[in-house]
Amino acid sequence: NAGVTQTPKFRVLKTGQSMTLLCAQDMNHEYMYWYRQDPGMGLRLIHYSVGEGTTAKGEVPDGYNVSRLKKQNFLLGLESAAPSQTSVYFCASSQAGRGTDTQYFGPGTRLTVL
Amino acid sequence: GESVGLHLPTLSVQEGDNSIINCAYSNSASDYFIWYKQESGKGPQFIIDIRSNMDKRQGQRVTVLLNKTVKHLSLQIAATQPGDSAVYFCAENSEDFNKFYFGSGTKLNVKP
Repeated sequence: NAGVTQTPKFRVLKTGQSMTLLCAQDMNHEYMYWYRQDPGMGLRLIHYSVGEGTTAKGEVPDGYNVSRLKKQNFLLGLESAAPSQTSVYFCASSQAGRGTDTQYFGPGTRLTVL
Repeated sequence: GESVGLHLPTLSVQEGDNSIINCAYSNSASDYFIWYKQESGKGPQFIIDIRSNMDKRQGQRVTVLLNKTVKHLSLQIAATQPGDSAVYFCAENSEDFNKFYFGSGTKLNVKP
């Protein structure tokens, strides 16, 4: 199993550009999550999904959109990138939700917005 | 303990010594806690978890202690090795469905 994979690993954008980050998991997990990690700070939840076709907002959803058209994929979109969105983005998945299962993380995508 | 800010607290230990990393959590209703290890340039890796009906749980070379009275969590690593050098952070679940709160982490440096 590859576990959780993320594409791309690195990306540089100019302010106002758009992009989509792809997360894929091969563990047949129901739940998927997108986090951002900034220097010296803990992971902050952007959006999450409790199953195919569902999405929900996390702590810091503004400026991002997500889609879960297939169970194994969770896409994170930036419609108009801003320098404040420079961060490392992590995707995670879990079989069950709150309090019943741990989350498994991908290797991260380092995004720089100029 | 962990703190939010630009500079992570750092723990330096000698190879072979035991390490203790602390975490203070905020939500007295949290009932599930996880410790993660994050090496430079990689995603967080699950180490060990504990539920609130337990005070202690042991894994391979790691032990997690939970003190619900003072809302404190600790990770003990026995016979610390250079490969243990990483940032360690705890996570607590929240009262909201599917959400975890993550601490900012403690950097562990293992000196050979």
